[in-house]
Amino acid sequence: DIQMTQSPSSLSASVGDRVTITCRASQGISNYLAWFQQKPGKAPKSLIYDASSLQSGVPSKFSGSGSGTDFTLTISSLQPEDFATYYCQQYNSYPLTFGGGTKVEIK
Amino acid sequence: EVQLAESGGGLVQPGGSLRLSCAASGFTFSDHYMDWVRQAPGKGLEWVGRTRKKTNSYTTEYAASVKGRFTISRDDSKNSLYLQMDSLKTEDTAVYYCARVRSSGHSHDYWGQGTLVTVSS
Repeated sequence: DIQMTQSPSSLSASVGDRVTITCRASQGISNYLAWFQQKPGKAPKSLIYDASSLQSGVPSKFSGSGSGTDFTLTISSLQPEDFATYYCQQYNSYPLTFGGGTKVEIK
Repeated sequence: EVQLAESGGGLVQPGGSLRLSCAASGFTFSDHYMDWVRQAPGKGLEWVGRTRKKTNSYTTEYAASVKGRFTISRDDSKNSLYLQMDSLKTEDTAVYYCARVRSSGHSHDYWGQGTLVTVSS
C-alpha cells in the first residue's frame, strides 16, 4: 500500500496568513493526488484533484502543486471559513489511501 | 445539484450485519464509479471500497480490512449504492460516507453527509 504522510499534523495561523501543507507519498504517484477539506461534523469537500486542478466552485485562494512523491496545498490568504482539517489522498493505485490530516487552527 | 444521501446506520452487536444505502440524485448515476469511505470517531479517512459501472462489469475493489466481510453493490435503476456489512467488528465503528468518483479520473468530487455505524455489545 502507498503511505501518505502529511505535515504538519496541526498548525496555528492568523487570518490573512499564507498557509502551506505538504503531503509525501511512499512511492511515486504521478499527479494522482487530491486534497479535501473537512469541518467538524461535516463530510469532506473536494478542493483539488490531479494535484493542481481546482474543483469547480472552490475559490482560487486554494492551489495545489507537485508530482511524483511530494505535493503541497497552499491557501493564499487564510479566512475564518478555512479553519478545518485538510487531507491528501492518492488514487494512483488500490487501495486508495489518505494522509493523516492537517488541522488548521486559529492563532 | 448532485446529492448523495446515506441511510441504514445504527447500533449492531459484534458479529452482526448491517446494510447501508446511498441514494443519488442530480446526475446520471450509471455513468459513475462509486465509493464508500469511512471515518472512525476522532480519526482520519479510510477508503472502504469501490464499484465500477456497467461498462466495467460492475467490478469491485476493497480495502484489506473489509475484504471478505463487506460487499458493495449498486442498482442503477434505483440510483442507489449499497454496502452490505457482515461479521462486524468493534473497529468497524465509524461514519460511513458514499462518494462519487469523478468521470475524468478516480478521485472523489461529491460526498454524502454520512451515516454512523456503531458496533458494540
